[in-house]
Amino acid sequence: EDKVVQSPLSLVVHEGDTVTLNCSYEVTNFRSLLWYKQEKKAPTFLFMLTSSGIEKKSGRLSSILDKKELSSILNITATQTGDSAIYLCAGEVGTASKLTFGTGTRLQVTL
Amino acid sequence: DVKVTQSSRYLVKRTGEKVFLECVQDMDHENMFWYRQDPGLGLRLIYFSYDVKMKEKGDIPEGYSVSREKKERFSLILESASTNQTSMYLCASSLATQPQHFGDGTRLSIL
Repeated sequence: EDKVVQSPLSLVVHEGDTVTLNCSYEVTNFRSLLWYKQEKKAPTFLFMLTSSGIEKKSGRLSSILDKKELSSILNITATQTGDSAIYLCAGEVGTASKLTFGTGTRLQVTL
Repeated sequence: DVKVTQSSRYLVKRTGEKVFLECVQDMDHENMFWYRQDPGLGLRLIYFSYDVKMKEKGDIPEGYSVSREKKERFSLILESASTNQTSMYLCASSLATQPQHFGDGTRLSIL
């Protein structure tokens, strides 16, 4: 059975802090690892990672995949209150475009 | 921009009713997906479809069916609604090997 585990489950930080969110996966025929951000409505796409060791970056957010350790991290530097959200990690099954999601990390950024 | 539209944001139905949730995408995506999202359980895949009239069971298909008569539209059907189907339902679409894009969700309450 495919499985994705995220940690921590929730996190409260002060504005300006740097945070690291973790994701580990056991996915059959793994093709890629995806990160999404969910505020009140639809999850919005952040990153898709297919190659190990190559960092993807978008502004203050970055992510990297480690296929040897079957894990990924999402870093957010200089956090802002607008970063408060649930961050979802998902493993993609190669043959089916199916995603298996973790339960998410709830991040709260306070002033 | 990809637009995935779910017909209702909030829906209240009674136990035993047949319930239809509609999803439309405007990007000619071949893949479409239905998930439910529950606290502590994350997003779980109910059904998905690769093409018109094609459907595949996800991880929790029991009590649900789907219909895809046109490429842009994917319907989720609760044959006889039960209280344990109270949940947030999310629809997504994608091209093969590309990230899934989500609708805003339908919060369904079964009384």
